[in-house]
Amino acid sequence: GAVVSQHPSRVICKSGTSVKIECRSLDFQATTMFWYRQFPKQSLMLMATSNEGSKATYEQGVEKDKFLINHASLTLSTLTVTSAHPEDSSFYICSARVSTRSRNEQFFGPGTRLTVL
Amino acid sequence: QKEVEQDPGPLSVPEGAIVSLNCTYSNSAFQYFMWYRQYSRKGPELLMYTYSSGNKEDGRFTAQVDKSSKYISLFIRDSQPSDSATYLCAMSAEYTDKLIFGTGTRLQVFP
Repeated sequence: GAVVSQHPSRVICKSGTSVKIECRSLDFQATTMFWYRQFPKQSLMLMATSNEGSKATYEQGVEKDKFLINHASLTLSTLTVTSAHPEDSSFYICSARVSTRSRNEQFFGPGTRLTVL
Repeated sequence: QKEVEQDPGPLSVPEGAIVSLNCTYSNSAFQYFMWYRQYSRKGPELLMYTYSSGNKEDGRFTAQVDKSSKYISLFIRDSQPSDSATYLCAMSAEYTDKLIFGTGTRLQVFP
């Protein structure tokens, strides 16, 4: 199956610092990757869609200057939470679409738990 | 009203039971329906993927879609303690990558 990894799995940082999360497709090329956010006992909320070589498309209400997304290669997308604050603490999950599979099949990474003190 | 409604549970069943998990939705444009399993502190794992109405079976899992009622189900036969997880339904319309998720149902299968 399609494998997606994320790094780090867990990060704790001080308020005001920036945190970078990496999402990699290990055994396939992903022209499109997605970033989600999940609060405890809540659903996954799409933050942005990341397309290789172009600017990310952000969902309504997501600050693009705060959540910087870069998709520089077909196997790597990064999410940088800039000037993180305690309310940014959440579980961040990326997913990737396999271009040879059906359009809406997404394979998810293991997630990154961010805690901002 | 949320686009996708899912009972959060928890649902607790004995080992070997048949489990029924359900979602309802309001957007008649949804054509793709998925079920994901998510273990605690892990990313979702795709279990079942169906297009339009009908049934799909894979091992102990059966997915059903009733578009006329805007209702989808996931059945788990011979449930095992290892099935204990949160089950998320997800849907999308044609010509879009965007998935809309339910809140997830937490399932606990006890020995």
